[in-house]
Amino acid sequence: GAVVSQHPSRVICKSGTSVKIECRSLDFQATTMFWYRQFPKQSLMLMATSNEGSKATYEQGVEKDKFLINHASLTLSTLTVTSAHPEDSSFYICSARPLALVRNEQFFGPGTRLTVL
Amino acid sequence: GEDVEQSLFLSVREGDSSVINCTYTDSSSTYLYWYKQEPGAGLQLLTYIFSNMDMKQDQRLTVLLNKKDKHLSLRIADTQTGDSAIYFCAESTPNAGKSTFGDGTTLTVKP
Repeated sequence: GAVVSQHPSRVICKSGTSVKIECRSLDFQATTMFWYRQFPKQSLMLMATSNEGSKATYEQGVEKDKFLINHASLTLSTLTVTSAHPEDSSFYICSARPLALVRNEQFFGPGTRLTVL
Repeated sequence: GEDVEQSLFLSVREGDSSVINCTYTDSSSTYLYWYKQEPGAGLQLLTYIFSNMDMKQDQRLTVLLNKKDKHLSLRIADTQTGDSAIYFCAESTPNAGKSTFGDGTTLTVKP
């Protein structure tokens, strides 16, 4: 149980295009989903907290107009990287917190590797 | 704000024990977690401990918590090559809505 999927797993796009990444909780409902960006030196950076039915809460320094987050249902959140540039190339990981909150833990998706040419 | 720190690298020989250490600053942390990340994959929750516990054992994994010193450790007994991965320590409080992660410790297991 507690499986989170991400789609696509890899995407290569041209500079200036927009890319949408989906995060789905497959066997549980999640009121809260999180979007992270992982840099080559391994650290995880929390970008935003996505709450179902309301606006996402962005961390300081993250441009909300560039990284659009939509959490339309209890099982789906999307991250759209608008007008992508090479510096946006990274590994993006989502996580979901179950509605039936027990230990506050998050379940992570497998990540999406974005390469912007 | 909250901060979680880990050493970046650890190298051990197969069959030895590995101990990965973590320190945190938020004294109101209620839950502490260890996650494992294999290359090119997401994070997998390995184990967790409540702040009112000192120790938790789960098969080859032992978590020790020193709440006074805000120090958490993960011991992996009989380390195998398949244990090679990045290990993240994380903490959360009930009302925080999010967890704070350390930068991860890369464990390398040599045959």
